[in-house]
Amino acid sequence: RKEVEQDPGPFNVPEGATVAFNCTYSNSASQSFFWYRQDCRKEPKLLMSVYSSGNEDGRFTAQLNRASQYISLLIRDSKLSDSATYLCVASNRLAFGKGNQVVVIP
Amino acid sequence: EAGVAQSPRYKIIEKRQSVAFWCNPISGHATLYWYQQILGQGPKLLIQFQNNGVVDDSQLPKDRFSAERLKGVDSTLKIQPAKLEDSAVYLCASSPYRGSANNYEQYFGPGTRLTVT
Repeated sequence: RKEVEQDPGPFNVPEGATVAFNCTYSNSASQSFFWYRQDCRKEPKLLMSVYSSGNEDGRFTAQLNRASQYISLLIRDSKLSDSATYLCVASNRLAFGKGNQVVVIP
Repeated sequence: EAGVAQSPRYKIIEKRQSVAFWCNPISGHATLYWYQQILGQGPKLLIQFQNNGVVDDSQLPKDRFSAERLKGVDSTLKIQPAKLEDSAVYLCASSPYRGSANNYEQYFGPGTRLTVT
């Protein structure tokens, strides 16, 4: 089993709608998690840190579920500019998932 | 604040040749990482430095890859000899040390796109 798993999608979401996706991790020793955004042919950029119970930043909400070993990212009121791949990473071994590709449709 | 600098941005070499990449992290960042990202995959950690010491190089193919960070600032990653499967983007990242093993907010450079023919 991979350390971090993500459904690559794509997640096609109408503009203005809400989209959510999960990232599961296998190593229960991981204590912190991060979501990064990666645009096509660009480097990943930090979106949010996810400590303890979660984090919220504007239209973005991240949650951590330690019992089921997953983190989630929810994007409300999706904008065309949100189209990107969202990568999660677990602090232990710095394992990145493949990413969730989000395509916001006008 | 200047970001992470990497060079070159693109490199095309033939298999069995050698290649080197350079990275200069954000000023004051003690931790430096090299990642390999193959198309369609997430970044894979190759090596992590804390100042000039290696923290983790368990996924570095040491028979052909080497990396150094001699003065605890900039770093080089070398591949010798290159194979076709080394074609990927090589990303360098840095993060500030905050006194905790679990603070890994990373700032990435633009990457070097390597094509091995």
